[in-house]
Amino acid sequence: GESVGLHLPTLSVQEGDNSIINCAYSNSASDYFIWYKQESGKGPQFIIDIRSNMDKRQGQRVTVLLNKTVKHLSLQIAATQPGDSAVYFCAENYGGSQGNLIFGKGTKLSVKP
Amino acid sequence: GAVVSQHPSRVICKSGTSVKIECRSLDFQATTMFWYRQFPKKSLMLMATSNEGSKATYEQGVEKDKFLINHASLTLSTLTVTSAHPEDSSFYICSASRTGGRDTQYFGPGTRLTVL
Repeated sequence: GESVGLHLPTLSVQEGDNSIINCAYSNSASDYFIWYKQESGKGPQFIIDIRSNMDKRQGQRVTVLLNKTVKHLSLQIAATQPGDSAVYFCAENYGGSQGNLIFGKGTKLSVKP
Repeated sequence: GAVVSQHPSRVICKSGTSVKIECRSLDFQATTMFWYRQFPKKSLMLMATSNEGSKATYEQGVEKDKFLINHASLTLSTLTVTSAHPEDSSFYICSASRTGGRDTQYFGPGTRLTVL
């Protein structure tokens, strides 16, 4: 479930189950989206990206879905493992020469063995 | 490839002192580097964008005289927190991009700054 305020939304799943992490983005002009994984005390790690001319992209055990109509992005992780436990951020790139990213609030994924 | 390092990883300093944080792209040249700040259990907030050889572009609300950014080479950017105060305590993260724009940003491991 999700909570608001000072706490990160948390998703708790059983090892081996599939995980779906959702993200709503804000800018209709954004045309490039990235999912990052951040473990405690570390910098974000690139997982997968998708451009706005696509609605689905698959990687190794991960799939990103993009719904531009409702400005929604999701990350699906297949056969979730304990090593997947981390905070996941979506980021949108609204273009421009600099490539500035706007990060979502993040979702904490906890995998129970 | 595409490794970004930061130094130091942790620093504790007294209030009023200045602290310099280095961000290096180890195996590629980065035209553009970004500096972010992250509070506990919060998302990353972009502070500024720097291009090699140019002045940094700061986000609204970020004091350029307090957070000095230098991007002197294609592999090194530095962030200096001047006259640090306890409210500057945070996790500072840099990222580097080969060409900027929609090119992938590779993130450093972050620097934990604690100001006493």
